[in-house]
Amino acid sequence: AQSVSQHNHHVILSEAASLELGCNYSYGGTVNLFWYVQYPGQHLQLLLKYFSGDPLVKGIKGFEAEFIKSKFSFNLRKPSVQWSDTAEYFCAVNAAGTASKLTFGTGTRLQVTL
Amino acid sequence: DVKVTQSSRYLVKRTGEKVFLECVQDMDHENMFWYRQDPGLGLRLIYFSYDVKMKEKGDIPEGYSVSREKKERFSLILESASTNQTSMYLCASRDYSYEQYFGPGTRLTVT
Repeated sequence: AQSVSQHNHHVILSEAASLELGCNYSYGGTVNLFWYVQYPGQHLQLLLKYFSGDPLVKGIKGFEAEFIKSKFSFNLRKPSVQWSDTAEYFCAVNAAGTASKLTFGTGTRLQVTL
Repeated sequence: DVKVTQSSRYLVKRTGEKVFLECVQDMDHENMFWYRQDPGLGLRLIYFSYDVKMKEKGDIPEGYSVSREKKERFSLILESASTNQTSMYLCASRDYSYEQYFGPGTRLTVT
């Protein structure tokens, strides 16, 4: 069964700092990759997704992620964070042959200070 | 916009009670899911359904059952609630692109 690791559990950054959140998965086959965000008091929403093609994908609100197949990684980045980016971020993987199932990481809580 | 609604935002039940959590989606999606979200554990899949009356166990189905009598509605049932089922429960539906759309969640407390 596939698994997803998010090694950063809690990240605190000042506004305008750059962000990189790690995501690694364990599955040797074809995968679809997602980053979801949960703002305080709101429901989960999709930030970006990768299915195929250009391994650098851009999402909403200035976020991007890079799929590096050789490292089984799909790290999330943002050049300059804002206070409004304070949220919990989840990486998720859908492995080919697992029907609809998404496997989520444990999440990274990002706190952006003014 | 896809809308996924859940019947309650907050629910308090006693140990041993039967609990029903309802989820409705308005986009004619075939696939629907129930997760529980716990701090430090992320989202864990309880059950999913890929069609009416069809269901499959997820990673943590013990203590839960589901019902899908109509395409738009997917219910999660706790036959006999226990304190370790205190959690946030999230429902989602999935479109053709594998993107899942989530409801607002039901925070269940079992006392």
